[in-house]
Amino acid sequence: DGGITQSPKYLFRKEGQNVTLSCEQNLNHDAMYWYRQDPGQGLRLIYYSQIVNDFQKGDIAEGYSVSREKKESFPLTVTSAQKNPTAFYLCASSESTGGDTQYFGPGTRLTVL
Amino acid sequence: DQQVKQNSPSLSVQEGRISILNCDYTNSMFDYFLWYKKYPAEGPTFLISISSIKDKNEDGRFTVFLNKSAKHLSLHIVPSQPGDSAVYFCAASARYSGAGSYQLTFGKGTKLSVIP
Repeated sequence: DGGITQSPKYLFRKEGQNVTLSCEQNLNHDAMYWYRQDPGQGLRLIYYSQIVNDFQKGDIAEGYSVSREKKESFPLTVTSAQKNPTAFYLCASSESTGGDTQYFGPGTRLTVL
Repeated sequence: DQQVKQNSPSLSVQEGRISILNCDYTNSMFDYFLWYKKYPAEGPTFLISISSIKDKNEDGRFTVFLNKSAKHLSLHIVPSQPGDSAVYFCAASARYSGAGSYQLTFGKGTKLSVIP
């Protein structure tokens, strides 16, 4: 089955610690994205990548970092510089970044204590 | 500045009746529109899309209507079922124009409750 996986489903971290969220896709999509969702809010773009070894900041990149060493993988690191890290994080992919339909993973709920 | 607006945070509909979810946009470069459905603690699921060369697209119980002059689109669900209860997000992109084409811009969502 083709799809996007995110792990873990729930993640707890102490304040001041960096944490890395995993995202893997086997859809052979070129583009991958990270979004954040807060209660009552839409999806806000953190970072996106059009191709391996390339990525661009989205609307709310401060306090986050990413890498794209493989086509299938796009991990997101939430650093201690992110002031409000507790949120629901969603990874998505699309065939290209040409405004194509994006397909989402199941999400990771990060809680910083 | 919100470029995609869903002005109704919630909507309640009786089972079997029509659900109409609305979305307005301000960016005239948007030419591709999508609806996603999202259950709590899950990722959004793609439902249906429409490009600006069309004014209607149907897929089973779901129909999306686009009014370009009013910069308005709507999603109709007929008949509504309890399993349709979820948050629905409208999204838009400048897919064909190429302007900012990398990005989908999302509305804040409308929570639909279908009452049995």
